[in-house]
Amino acid sequence: ELKVEQNPLFLSMQEGKNYTIYCNYSTTSDRLYWYRQDPGKSLESLFVLLSNGAVKQEGRLMASLDTKARLSTLHITAAVHDLSATYFCAVDKIGTNAGKSTFGDGTTLTVKP
Amino acid sequence: EPEVTQTPSHQVTQMGQEVILRCVPISNHLYFYWYRQILGQKVEFLVSFYNNEISEKSEIFDDQFSVERPDGSNFTLKIRSTKLEDSAMYFCASSDKRNQPQHFGDGTRLSIL
Repeated sequence: ELKVEQNPLFLSMQEGKNYTIYCNYSTTSDRLYWYRQDPGKSLESLFVLLSNGAVKQEGRLMASLDTKARLSTLHITAAVHDLSATYFCAVDKIGTNAGKSTFGDGTTLTVKP
Repeated sequence: EPEVTQTPSHQVTQMGQEVILRCVPISNHLYFYWYRQILGQKVEFLVSFYNNEISEKSEIFDDQFSVERPDGSNFTLKIRSTKLEDSAMYFCASSDKRNQPQHFGDGTRLSIL
């Protein structure tokens, strides 16, 4: 059974600081996703990571994937208040066609002035 | 920008009744998904759909649930004989290719009384 563990679950940080969210998963996978969810809202896709060593960046967010360690990171650079949200990673069961994702519990990020 | 639309936004139903949640995916997309999120909890995969058939389903997606693509535009989730524990936000998502980001609708809040 595929298990996905995120840490930390809650993160309070000051504007301008850097921090990393970690996503560990238990079995081999071929797709990993990062999503953002604002309170009371739907999910927004941030990144899709497919291969070992993949790195993607969008603004102040950068995601990477180490398939050998079964670890993905979401790095936040110089945080701003607008980044306050809950971030989920999700991992697909390997070999599926359309996909079968297992989500982490989410990391609730609060960026304070 | 094209959107995934879901109706209704909120559905209140008596326990034991059947509900149909409706989704209109983005028009050229080929992969379709249903997820649910119990209030304050993580997102759970229900089912993925491709080429007019279910690709993957989770353990949650038992005989109580079914999906249909009755025409070229709609993608529905039917829940027969609803239970109190079916109360959740249900999100529909679609993507044009397998390894592309999924686009999510705003969700349907289902309340079972």
